Amino acid sequence: QSALTQPASVSGSPGQSITISCTGTSSDVGTYDLVSWYQQHPGKVPKLMIYEVATRPSGVSNRFSGSKSGNTASLTISGLQAEDEADYYCCSFAGSSTLVFGGGTSLTVL
Amino acid sequence: QVQLVQSATEVKKPGASVKVSCRPSGYTLTNYGLSWVRQAPGQGLEWLGWISPYNGHTSYPQKFQGRVTMTIDTSTTTAYMELRSLRSDDTAIYYCARFSRRSNWLDPWGQGSLVTVSS
Repeated sequence: QSALTQPASVSGSPGQSITISCTGTSSDVGTYDLVSWYQQHPGKVPKLMIYEVATRPSGVSNRFSGSKSGNTASLTISGLQAEDEADYYCCSFAGSSTLVFGGGTSLTVL
Repeated sequence: QVQLVQSATEVKKPGASVKVSCRPSGYTLTNYGLSWVRQAPGQGLEWLGWISPYNGHTSYPQKFQGRVTMTIDTSTTTAYMELRSLRSDDTAIYYCARFSRRSNWLDPWGQGSLVTVSS
C-alpha cells in the first residue's frame, strides 16, 4: 500500500481554525469510514484524537473534528491554541486487515 | 488504567534479529488486537502489522511479510514483535498499541522501544 498524502506543514494563529487533509484512494479512505487521527508532540507518544472519521474519544477537546469526502479525510482544529502545535497523522483501514498511515503534517501555531 | 509497557533500547548489527516485547495491562487482553508501529528518526509513522490475542491471527503489510513475526504469550500477557535481517534503515522507535479492529483505532500506545542497527 502507498502512504496516505498529507501536507507537510500547516500553520495558523491562535484562535483561528485550520484543516489538515489526508488523501487516499478508493481502496482505503474512499471505501471505509475507518479513518483515525493522531497527535504527536516532539519526543512524545502518539495520541488518538479522532476515529471512525469523526468520533472523538473521551477527553479530547471538541475543538477537534473530522470529516470525509470521497477519497479525502480532513481534521479541523478550531480556536487554535499554542498547545495544539504538534505533528498530526491520519490512518485508514485499507482492506484485508491492513492499515496505512499518512506521511504526517507539522502544525505551527504562529 | 490501560497501559502498555515495552522493553528497553536494543543495539543490533546489520543482519541480526531483534525481538521487542510489550506487556499490556488494565484491560481484557483478548478483547482487542495489538498493533505495532515504527518511527524512524525524524520520520513519520509506519504500520508493521497486528495480532489478535484471541486467536493468534496476524496481518502484516506486504513490505514486511517474511521479515516480521508477531506473537503473544497469553500466560504472561506479553506480546512480541521480531524483525529479522536488520538493516540500518530499520533504526527506529518501535511502538505497540492496543488496536480496535472494528473501529480502527490505536489507543493507548506503549512508551516505545528504540532499536538501533549499526555495525
